[in-house]
Amino acid sequence: DIQMTQSPPSLSASVGDRVTITCRASQGIASYLAWYQQRPGEAPKLLIYAASSLEPGVPSRFSGSRSGADFTLTITNLQPEDVGTYYCQNYNRAPFAFGPGTKVDLK
Amino acid sequence: ELKLLESGGDLVQPGGSLRLSCAASGFSFNNFAMSWVRQAPGKGLEWVSAISGTGDETFYADSVKGRFTISRDSSKSMLFLQMTNVSAEDTAMFYCARAYSVQGYYYYYMDVWGKGTTVTVSS
Repeated sequence: DIQMTQSPPSLSASVGDRVTITCRASQGIASYLAWYQQRPGEAPKLLIYAASSLEPGVPSRFSGSRSGADFTLTITNLQPEDVGTYYCQNYNRAPFAFGPGTKVDLK
Repeated sequence: ELKLLESGGDLVQPGGSLRLSCAASGFSFNNFAMSWVRQAPGKGLEWVSAISGTGDETFYADSVKGRFTISRDSSKSMLFLQMTNVSAEDTAMFYCARAYSVQGYYYYYMDVWGKGTTVTVSS
């Protein structure tokens, strides 16, 4: 099965900062990678699909990229409402596993 | 409005069974694959199971294979998860989610989520 890893497990940043989260797949998944945001007490929300495509309605400060088996979620100009946990997910083939998550909070 | 409403979560004893339901509205249910995702208290998201729009393909996480069964009733726009032989490790919030689908192709990332239903396994 494909294993997903994320780094860092958590980070603290200031409003206006640029934040980068990395996800790696243990096997090739092409660009079949999605990113989700989960705010405290809420259901997850889709941010990015196909590694770099922004879901409609998601602010443009969120972006995704791919370099081989490494995937990156970038938040530019971090806002207070961006506090939460971010997960990547493989959807190339089952099992469609999530990464362990990266918790983002404010300094 | 796109909406998913889960129900059926409850307190169940170890070794017991439970059936979760998810009512979908606001979209053509039979055109979309669906998934169940769970989250144990204080833990991350765990993909559990998925089913194609036609219902002829199902997928399971190793942790639930042989114990959980996903199904759907497209005539009623309903998704189900039959859980058997549950253990404390199955205690979680269970989310129903729609998998993006287009022109008969299913992409198993989740673009619409319900608010979840809570399953607690305890004696």
